[in-house]
Amino acid sequence: QKEVEQDPGPLSVPEGAIVSLNCTYSNSAFQYFMWYRQYSRKGPELLMYTYSSGNKEDGRFTAQVDKSSKYISLFIRDSQPSDSATYLCAMTSGPSGSARQLTFGSGTQLTVLP
Amino acid sequence: KAGVTQTPRYLIKTRGQQVTLSCSPISGHRSVSWYQQTPGQGLQFLFEYFSETQRNKGNFPGRFSGRQFSNSRSEMNVSTLELGDSALYLCASSPGVLGMNTEAFFGQGTRLTVV
Repeated sequence: QKEVEQDPGPLSVPEGAIVSLNCTYSNSAFQYFMWYRQYSRKGPELLMYTYSSGNKEDGRFTAQVDKSSKYISLFIRDSQPSDSATYLCAMTSGPSGSARQLTFGSGTQLTVLP
Repeated sequence: KAGVTQTPRYLIKTRGQQVTLSCSPISGHRSVSWYQQTPGQGLQFLFEYFSETQRNKGNFPGRFSGRQFSNSRSEMNVSTLELGDSALYLCASSPGVLGMNTEAFFGQGTRLTVV
């Protein structure tokens, strides 16, 4: 079993829809959580960074962390065709933990249809 | 502020050769990590350097090595290339070791093809 599980999709939604992307993890050492967006043939771009349970909002993006359930989500409101990309969750225990490097989910491929 | 710069962007090498990839982190960032991305395995951690010291290493064979210079620039080397080493190699920089308020920012990657 992988430490981080992410539904690979593909996921297709109409423009303007609310998108929900999710990851589950098994290692309770993970304390810091990130969401990256990766366009084809490009490097991952950091979207959101959180380290506490609860919600964090940035524009159309909301990151949600539930450490008790080992579950994180990224919500995209009013989705646009330009949001079409692969979304990767990543997590780390931080410098004092046993999983200091970023551990990534497999990525969810999202297509927003005009 | 310039982002993470990786050179070269594309490489084609022959089996058995060696290759060196370069990464210049964001100015002021002292931590550099390297990742391999393939369609089958996704993003996998190679190693992390901080202040010229390797702090962490992933489960890759000894053919994969790296180093960091005093200006925080980093190089990774792969010797005796195999077909399976074909991948996108990504470098990430962060101000310090990953954790509180130390997000990782990625470069565009170097796409290595081994033939």
